[in-house]
Amino acid sequence: DADVTQTPRNRITKTGKRIMLECSQTKGHDRMYWYRQDPGLGLRLIYYSFDVKDINKGEISDGYSVSRQAQAKFSLSLESAIPNQTALYFCATSDLYGYTFGSGTRLTVV
Amino acid sequence: AQSVTQLGSHVSVSEGALVLLRCNYSSSVPPYLFWYVQYPNQGLQLLLKYTSAATLVKGINGFEAEFKKSETSFHLTKPSAHMRDAAEYFCAVSGSYNTDKLIFGTGTRLQVFP
Repeated sequence: DADVTQTPRNRITKTGKRIMLECSQTKGHDRMYWYRQDPGLGLRLIYYSFDVKDINKGEISDGYSVSRQAQAKFSLSLESAIPNQTALYFCATSDLYGYTFGSGTRLTVV
Repeated sequence: AQSVTQLGSHVSVSEGALVLLRCNYSSSVPPYLFWYVQYPNQGLQLLLKYTSAATLVKGINGFEAEFKKSETSFHLTKPSAHMRDAAEYFCAVSGSYNTDKLIFGTGTRLQVFP
């Protein structure tokens, strides 16, 4: 099993729908991150969490919310999806030894 | 605050030629710097990282990068490109070693021609 698992891998949803992207990890790391990747823009930080009780906005948090249900789980929600949220989303974790990325969720909003 | 700028969104080289991908950083604290590679339809893979130990950092697949504080640069090089090096490369900076958020550059897509 992968150390950082993202579900679903691919998702097509309609404008206005609520959608949740899930991330779970077996690394035992306290720190977790959500990024989105867009062509030509690289990866941009949406939210990050340094422990279960700590949630921080990244540079592009508008339109997104997160939930840190446990040390191992960090979910990203789009309350009302819009087409410009179509992107590749990555979850990551870190500790003193390094960062670990999930395989990504490709989200298309139509 | 930290940021990185990658100069050149696309770089094309011939197989066997030198690869040079440019990255300049801005940081209010001593930076930790990373290069990641993303092959088509795959996730991110760490190539190398600078952690203030040695300024010349060697990574996987024959890549290396040199930290130059005076130039605020961390350019990625490889002496001889292979076709399999065709991918997108991201430079990233963090304010602390592995325990802070990574801030990524916009990426450079490397094409390698036979």
